[in-house]
Amino acid sequence: GAGVSQSPSNKVTEKGKDVELRCDPISGHTALYWYRQRLGQGLEFLIYFQGNSAPDKSGLPSDRFSAERTGESVSTLTIQRTQQEDSAVYLCASSLEASRAYEQYFGPGTRLTVT
Amino acid sequence: AQSVTQLDSQVPVFEEAPVELRCNYSSSVSVYLFWYVQYPNQGLQLLLKYLSGSTLVKGINGFEAEFNKSQTSFHLRKPSVHISDTAEYFCAVRPPDSNQFYFGTGTSLTVIP
Repeated sequence: GAGVSQSPSNKVTEKGKDVELRCDPISGHTALYWYRQRLGQGLEFLIYFQGNSAPDKSGLPSDRFSAERTGESVSTLTIQRTQQEDSAVYLCASSLEASRAYEQYFGPGTRLTVT
Repeated sequence: AQSVTQLDSQVPVFEEAPVELRCNYSSSVSVYLFWYVQYPNQGLQLLLKYLSGSTLVKGINGFEAEFNKSQTSFHLRKPSVHISDTAEYFCAVRPPDSNQFYFGTGTSLTVIP
C-alpha cells in the first residue's frame, strides 16, 4: 500500500515569505507527527496529532509555525515570515496508534531552503 | 525532557566485520526505545524497538540491540555488515506517558568493500 507522502520534495523561498508543507499519512493512521531535521542534527519534534484530540504543539519553536490536520487525513505545516534558520528537512510520520505500539512510518521529507 | 546521545557521528567499517553503534539516553525511568535507519535518498524506517520483556531485541536485516537499564543504553549491533548497510542510523526514546519521541543526532555507517 501507499506510504506517507510529502510535498513538495524541495522548496526554496526568500526570507520573509510564507511556506506551506503538506503531508498525506497512511490511510487509517490516527496519529501524525511533524519533525524538523537541521543539517547534522537529530530529529526535532514539532507537533503531534491524534485523532480528534487537541494536538500537542509543545515542540513548535515559535508562533510563526502552525499546523492543521483535517480529521485523520492530510496535514499542512505552515511557516510564516520564514527565516534562514528555518532551513531544514521537515519530516512527517504517521502511526496506527491503536495497535502497533508507537511504530512510526516516515515520509521522504520536504527540504526547505530559505535564502 | 529526555536527551539521546549517539556518541559516534561516523563509523567506517570493513565489509563482513562486526559493528556496534552506541546509544545512551538520559532518563532513569522506563522508556520505549527504537532504532531507525535512513538509507540514502529514502525516508526513515524502523529497524527494531524495545517496549518490554527480553532485553535483547532482534530487528530486520540481521541487526539486534540490547537494552541495559542500569547503563541507560540501547546499543545496536550486527555481527557481519554488508555494503547495503551503509546508511544513517538514529536512536530514539519515548516515555510511555508522552506523545513525544526524542531522537539522537544520528550515526553515519559507511561499509568499506
